[in-house]
Amino acid sequence: GESVGLHLPTLSVQEGDNSIINCAYSNSASDYFIWYKQESGKGPQFIIDIRSNMDKRQGQRVTVLLNKTVKHLSLQIAATQPGDSAVYFCAENMGYGGSQGNLIFGKGTKLSVKP
Amino acid sequence: DSGVTQTPKHLITATGQRVTLRCSPRSGDLSVYWYQQSLDQGLQFLIQYYNGEERAKGNILERFSAQQFPDLHSELNLSSLELGDSALYFCASSKSDRIFPFSGNTIYFGEGSWLTVV
Repeated sequence: GESVGLHLPTLSVQEGDNSIINCAYSNSASDYFIWYKQESGKGPQFIIDIRSNMDKRQGQRVTVLLNKTVKHLSLQIAATQPGDSAVYFCAENMGYGGSQGNLIFGKGTKLSVKP
Repeated sequence: DSGVTQTPKHLITATGQRVTLRCSPRSGDLSVYWYQQSLDQGLQFLIQYYNGEERAKGNILERFSAQQFPDLHSELNLSSLELGDSALYFCASSKSDRIFPFSGNTIYFGEGSWLTVV
């Protein structure tokens, strides 16, 4: 079975608005999470990551929030731009620094940005 | 550009045939991962190699095999192909056999090889 899933399969936002993409995971042993962006015809592109001992991490225009109590991960994109249109995946890894590097991916959320 | 190179980009073949997908990892990366992306299964981890040796195995069929060569490039061999094997196959690489957050040692993906089985 799949241990990482997404609440919303599609999300449509207006250019300039903030976007929030959600992800639920079921494996409490997961301690490292990554968000990837996949544009049409391309491979997943690393956006931001977070460790389980953190609840928030910020990058350029993106913020990842982690709530281990409810096993929930979210990606916030500020001032969403047309170039942000893509499918976003959350992925989890169990035992960073101490186990294999393979990732378990969620099914993805498609973000569409309306101009 | 992630630095991970995959060939071919597109491949069409008939059922029962065998194909080989090739991957060159980023410079300096010792680990190579193979993932399959299909509409119904999403991104599924297949197998990982580290410095020439198998490191982890995921949902890889017995008809599929992989190897990593001394120059660190990897090949994924798919045999006795079925219609359901049609998918996008991604190669990814990382520096180490494990992920170390915030150290730059994360997993970077190639552009994928589109396989269509007819």
